[in-house]
Amino acid sequence: ESVLTQSPGTLSVSPGERATLSCRASQSVATAYLAWYQQKPGQAPRLLIYGASRRATGIPDRFSGSGSGTDFTLTISRLEPEDFAVYYCQQYGSSLTFGGGTKVELK
Amino acid sequence: QVQLQESGPGLVKPSETLSLICNVTGDSIRSNYWSWIRQPPGKGLEWIGYIYYSGTTKYNPSLKSRVTMSVDMSKNQFSLTVNSVTAADTAIYYCAKDLPAFEVWGQGTLVTVSS
Repeated sequence: ESVLTQSPGTLSVSPGERATLSCRASQSVATAYLAWYQQKPGQAPRLLIYGASRRATGIPDRFSGSGSGTDFTLTISRLEPEDFAVYYCQQYGSSLTFGGGTKVELK
Repeated sequence: QVQLQESGPGLVKPSETLSLICNVTGDSIRSNYWSWIRQPPGKGLEWIGYIYYSGTTKYNPSLKSRVTMSVDMSKNQFSLTVNSVTAADTAIYYCAKDLPAFEVWGQGTLVTVSS
């Protein structure tokens, strides 16, 4: 089972700034099987990125995903007020696991 | 528009069985993989397992001995049971559609394990 480690645990940024979130896997993950989610308090997670770099339906183009193998990145190019949330990566291989999350907070 | 809705008891006693149902509207349960995911209060996400309409299942190895999933095609629903629950099973339980990424989620239901 691939363990996903997300960093940093908390990222403090200002609106309009760029945010870069990391997800590192203990075993190689097929790019088709790496996804990113956004979760706001009291809400279910929302799919942002699947296949490592494909935006889900309705997701703004300020969200982008990249990476391969064991290192993946979610980038938010210009943070909007509604982007402050917790972000999770997820992989599907022999099993299915989530990373521990990165909280993006207002600086 | 696909919608998922979890239902079941909000309180379960230790050592008893947790049972939840996910009702699917706007899509046929025959068309996808369906998963359960949980989130202890204030913590991260844990995948519990998935089921395909044919009955094929795959469970998280850490929960496999206590988990069962099933599908009711006549009601367009799928269900989860977790046996021998403890306080560590207290969580928000979500049902979700699709693999390898979860495109649609239910709103979640809080299940508390307490006497």
